[in-house]
Amino acid sequence: DIQMTQSPSSLSASVGDRVTITCQASQDISSHLNWYQQRPGKAPNLLIYTASNMNAGVPSTFSGSGSGTKFTLTISSLQAEDAATYYCQQFHELPPTFGPGTKLEVK
Amino acid sequence: QVQLVQSGAEVKKPGSSVRVSCKASGGSLRDYTITWVRQAPGQGLEWVGRITPRLGIENHALKWKDRLKLRADKSTRTVYLDLSSLTSDDSAVYYCARENRETYHIGWLDPWGQGTQVTVSS
Repeated sequence: DIQMTQSPSSLSASVGDRVTITCQASQDISSHLNWYQQRPGKAPNLLIYTASNMNAGVPSTFSGSGSGTKFTLTISSLQAEDAATYYCQQFHELPPTFGPGTKLEVK
Repeated sequence: QVQLVQSGAEVKKPGSSVRVSCKASGGSLRDYTITWVRQAPGQGLEWVGRITPRLGIENHALKWKDRLKLRADKSTRTVYLDLSSLTSDDSAVYYCARENRETYHIGWLDPWGQGTQVTVSS
């Protein structure tokens, strides 16, 4: 199975800050990478698909980039409602695997 | 706009079986693949398996061996997850989600069901 890692595992930032989360795959996955946001007690929500495509309704402050083995999720201007855990997921091959998550706290 | 509505919480004894359902509201499942993901308490997301109702094709992680069965009822737009020989390690929230694809054979998950809590306890 393809292993996914994320860094940092948690972070705390202030409203208006720029935040970057990194996801790394154990092998080349091309651009077959998705990002999800999960607020406490809720189901995950798709943010970015195929590395850089924004899902409908997602604020333009979110963006994704990368290919191969290294990917980033960037929030350009942090809002209070962005407090959540963020997961990357590879869909290069079965089984699709998720990263361990990055918990984002908004100060 | 398709919404996925899951069945309610379950409490089961070790060694028993559970069935979780996922019904499409406002659209059809026929042309899509439905994926199941679970989340143990305080843990991350784990892919469980997927089924393509139109083709009757099922994929699931090898770890499940014969414990897991995914089924689809096209007439009622409902997909089912059946898990047997339950242990406390199976206690988790189980989510269904629609898989969307373009040209590749796997894709991204959107939308998601609300989740079903399964608790295994003696």
